[in-house]
Amino acid sequence: DTEVTQTPKHLVMGMTNKKSLKCEQHMGHRAMYWYKQKAKKPPELMFVYSYEKLSINESVPSRFSPECPNSSLLNLHLHALQPEDSALYLCASSQGVRGTEAFFGQGTRLTVV
Amino acid sequence: GNSVTQMEGPVTLSEEAFLTINCTYTATGYPSLFWYVQYPGEGLQLLLKATKADDKGSNKGFEATYRKETTSFHLEKGSVQVSDSAVYFCALSDSNTGNQFYFGTGTSLTVIP
Repeated sequence: DTEVTQTPKHLVMGMTNKKSLKCEQHMGHRAMYWYKQKAKKPPELMFVYSYEKLSINESVPSRFSPECPNSSLLNLHLHALQPEDSALYLCASSQGVRGTEAFFGQGTRLTVV
Repeated sequence: GNSVTQMEGPVTLSEEAFLTINCTYTATGYPSLFWYVQYPGEGLQLLLKATKADDKGSNKGFEATYRKETTSFHLEKGSVQVSDSAVYFCALSDSNTGNQFYFGTGTSLTVIP
């Protein structure tokens, strides 16, 4: 199994809503990532978890709250988002050792209204 | 620091034409290098990789060679197909932990019949 599974695929939420994005991998990868991608732009790193601990937070606003309940799961909790937060949110995982690639999920297309 | 510079797009080619997408990098130590492809509405898929100088990564007719002397990792394909139309991202991972990935800006390729 070389898949990273993200749910939901699409999400529309109001600015006062609370929602969560979910990501799952069963490759035994020790590193998991959240990226944000706007149209026609490269993925922009948000968070990195290594061994279930947050190791990198790229100065992301607190309305985005990551959680890693176990080594296979990664969540991104969303609260009080703004329309400019609308984007494709990508989860990825990797073995986290030199020379290994990141595996990406299909993404969640988020629209904030 | 680490960074990737990729040729600007968009690129439009006729079917069976030769493709080159230029990529150069700046990094400390010995990074690993990757090409990812993203089809519309999807996540990123690994196309090929190289982990040390003079390595050649290849997949589906695409090739790229890790050139340390010119800090380059140019993507080539001898004969493109309509199905190759996508956005291509050059990326590197840092040489210490392999945990962080740095992406170029992406090059959009359209192949016309």
